[in-house]
Amino acid sequence: GAVVSQHPSWVICKSGTSVKIECRSLDFQATTMFWYRQFPKQSLMLMATSNEGSKATYEQGVEKDKFLINHASLTLSTLTVTSAHPEDSSFYICSARVAGVTDTQYFGPGTRLTVL
Amino acid sequence: KQEVTQIPAALSVPEGENLVLNCSFTDSAIYNLQWFRQDPGKGLTSLLLIQSSQREQTSGRLNASLDKSSGRSTLYIAASQPGDSATYLCAVGYNQGGKLIFGQGTELSVKP
Repeated sequence: GAVVSQHPSWVICKSGTSVKIECRSLDFQATTMFWYRQFPKQSLMLMATSNEGSKATYEQGVEKDKFLINHASLTLSTLTVTSAHPEDSSFYICSARVAGVTDTQYFGPGTRLTVL
Repeated sequence: KQEVTQIPAALSVPEGENLVLNCSFTDSAIYNLQWFRQDPGKGLTSLLLIQSSQREQTSGRLNASLDKSSGRSTLYIAASQPGDSATYLCAVGYNQGGKLIFGQGTELSVKP
């Protein structure tokens, strides 16, 4: 149980295009989802916290107009990288917290974004 | 500023050896601490979760300890195997259901 999926697993796009990444909780309801970014050989950095039905809370230094987050249902959150540039190339990982179980986050397999 | 540091950054050991990975955090008022495993290009697998009131947790060959007063945690791996090769990440939570602050990870290589 408690499986989180991400789609796509990897994507290559041209500079200036927008890319949407989906994060789904497959067998549980997730009231909260988190979006992380990981650069090569570095740790995960939290970008934003997404609560179902409300606006996401962004970490300091993360541009909310560039990284659009939508959490429209209890099983789906999306991250859209708008007007992507090469410096946005990274590994994006989401995690989901089980509703009613506050301490455990389950992580998705990640999405590798490469912007040419 | 709340920071998490892991030492060493990389570790290579022969199969069968017992080893210890270290994690330190600057703000000792933690809610919980977790150890994760990450294989190359993959997501995270939770290994052990220690609540702030606990001193250690065990799962199979893994044992994680927590010393809040000194701001440290260790992950002990007994009888290491090549399949243990991965990056191990320590993450600290400061409130219930809140965000996690990750260390940089320790890249472990266990040689047969």
